[in-house]
Amino acid sequence: QKEVEQNSGPLSVPEGAIASLNCTYSDRGSQSFFWYRQYSGKSPELIMSIYSNGDKEDGRFTAQLNKASQYVSLLIRDSQPSDSATYLCAVRTDTDKLIFGTGTRLQVFP
Amino acid sequence: GAVVSQHPSRVICKSGTSVKIECRSLDFQATTMFWYRQFPKKSLMLMATSNEGSKATYEQGVEKDKFLINHASLTLSTLTVTSAHPEDSSFYICSASPQDYEQYFGPGTRLTVT
Repeated sequence: QKEVEQNSGPLSVPEGAIASLNCTYSDRGSQSFFWYRQYSGKSPELIMSIYSNGDKEDGRFTAQLNKASQYVSLLIRDSQPSDSATYLCAVRTDTDKLIFGTGTRLQVFP
Repeated sequence: GAVVSQHPSRVICKSGTSVKIECRSLDFQATTMFWYRQFPKKSLMLMATSNEGSKATYEQGVEKDKFLINHASLTLSTLTVTSAHPEDSSFYICSASPQDYEQYFGPGTRLTVT
């Protein structure tokens, strides 16, 4: 059974701080990893994709991948109250399906 | 780019009736689309993979006769919930991929069965 694990949170950070979201996965052969943001009552929105070890930056977001440790993370710099949402980690399988974690709820307070 | 639409966004139906949900890729063609269901405060659960021109592939535990999927063209997949019951009330979301890797989600359809 392929699994993706996330801490459900909530993770509370003050406005302007760095929010760090973590994810581990069980399938060592996984090659593609994604972070989605989901606001309450809405569908997921793709934020970042990462395929290679190391860091990938896009604006205030940085995704980090360590395949040896089977670990993916998302850093959000200068967190804003509008970043408050549930962040879903997803891993693509060899049949193109996405396996999702349960999500981490982020709360950014002013 | 990579826009996926769904219709309707909300539907309320009576127990025993059928409901059809449409998923369209607006600016790309998708040979494969995915249907998910999400219960409140739970994660997304993949229901089935919709394949253009062939039968859908259902996940374990999903009744294919209850959740009918038709992928009629490269831009349209439909999910029909047949003989709906209150326990089918959920948030149904489709996704599609314009490339090999990144999946984009539709806005979702909230189904309430009374």
